[in-house]
Amino acid sequence: NAGVTQTPKFRILKIGQSMTLQCTQDMNHNYMYWYRQDPGMGLKLIYYSVGAGITDKGEVPNGYNVSRSTTEDFPLRLELAAPSQTSVYFCASSYSRGALETQYFGPGTRLLVL
Amino acid sequence: GESVGLHLPTLSVQEGDNSIINCAYSNSASDYFIWYKQESGKGPQFIIDIRSNMDKRQGQRVTVLLNKTVKHLSLQIAATQPGDSAVYFCAENMGEYGNKLVFGAGTILRVKS
Repeated sequence: NAGVTQTPKFRILKIGQSMTLQCTQDMNHNYMYWYRQDPGMGLKLIYYSVGAGITDKGEVPNGYNVSRSTTEDFPLRLELAAPSQTSVYFCASSYSRGALETQYFGPGTRLLVL
Repeated sequence: GESVGLHLPTLSVQEGDNSIINCAYSNSASDYFIWYKQESGKGPQFIIDIRSNMDKRQGQRVTVLLNKTVKHLSLQIAATQPGDSAVYFCAENMGEYGNKLVFGAGTILRVKS
C-alpha cells in the first residue's frame, strides 16, 4: 500500500489564482481530513469527510472547498488564493471514528502564495 | 476557546538519556489523546495513544502518562536516540462526529550525540 499520497509537493501561486490539492489513499479508509500547518504551529483542521458524498467543516474552512466523490480521493480546492493561505497542507485518513482510529498522514503539500 | 498546548517549545537531551515532553489540555470532555512525531519535511507519524479511562500506556521505548486531575499529558522516551530528533505534537480528540483532532503547537526534541 502507498498509504496517503498528495500532489503536488510544492506550488507557488499568485494572489487570486486557484488550484486543487490532490489527496488519495489506498487503505479503504472511510474518514479523510485536510489540515494546514503554519510555521512553528500545530495542525488545524480545514475540512473532513466521513465517507463518499459527505463532507463537513473543520476549524478553519474559510477560503477552501472540498468534495468526496470516491472513497479514495479527497481534493482540496482554493478558489482565490490569498497570502494567508501560505502553509503546508496535510491530508490524512482513518478507518473510522467510533474506534478512535489512528489518522495516517500524507507527506504534505507546501503552498506559497505571493 | 479550549485548546491543547505544550509547556516547552524546545528540549535538548543527550543521547541515551530519557526524554519527557509535556502537554496541557483544557477540554475535560476529550476522551482520546495521541502523540505524533513529525520529522522535517514529513507528515506527522503516530507514536502512541491513550484513552481517558487510562492513566498510563506503554509502547516500545515510549510511555504516555495522563493526569486528568490537572489535565496534563506527557510522553516519555527511554534511551533517546538521534533518530528521535523531531517535533512532537500532542493531540486531543474533541469530535462527536468524525475523528476531529486538536493539535498543540509542538515541542522540538534535539538529541545531542
